[in-house]
Amino acid sequence: GIQVEQSPPDLILQEGANSTLRCNFSDSVNNLQWFHQNPWGQLINLFYIPSGTKQNGRLSATTVATERYSLLYISSSQTTDSGVYFCAVEYTGNQFYFGTGTSLTVIP
Amino acid sequence: GAGVSQSPRYKVAKRGQDVALRCDPISGHVSLFWYQQALGQGPEFLTYFQNEAQLDKSGLPSDRFFAERPEGSVSTLKIQRTQQEDSAVYLCASSGRDITGETQYFGPGTRLLVL
Repeated sequence: GIQVEQSPPDLILQEGANSTLRCNFSDSVNNLQWFHQNPWGQLINLFYIPSGTKQNGRLSATTVATERYSLLYISSSQTTDSGVYFCAVEYTGNQFYFGTGTSLTVIP
Repeated sequence: GAGVSQSPRYKVAKRGQDVALRCDPISGHVSLFWYQQALGQGPEFLTYFQNEAQLDKSGLPSDRFFAERPEGSVSTLKIQRTQQEDSAVYLCASSGRDITGETQYFGPGTRLLVL
């Protein structure tokens, strides 16, 4: 199967700092999404981004499909950004494979 | 409804009991997914429905796990003779065509604890 690796595994930021999260995948994919799982366990879709760049407020994402990676940028971080960030790729059929996640803690 | 809902939110079962977990997808969404998330891990795919058809069940860990979506809307994941290793959060997601493609929307999950 496909391997989906995320880095860093853990990240602690001071409020207001910027960060970049990375997702590497081992094969060509049909679909890539970024999710935020809040401390209560709810998964929220951030971006559907199989290729290219998208921005939504303080968040933006870039996927370079030919090089098999995606980046999630968080600018001016807030305490509410804390949680686990997952990338998920659609590899075969409709199976989505999730990475191991990046656990982000933003301290005031 | 406005989002995906799941019930119950929490379930405690004794080993050997059968459990049934319910998912109400977003109205009109044709695709429905079930995932299992162990503590500290990312969600793992269990099964996929397109309308009432179960097109992929390759992620179901054993024949004790069974899922259905008889009318193409509500889905039920059933686990027979539960074991302690079944303890996890079970997530349901639905998707439908929109301008951004097949975005998945997740429910809050059912946290299952098998004693």
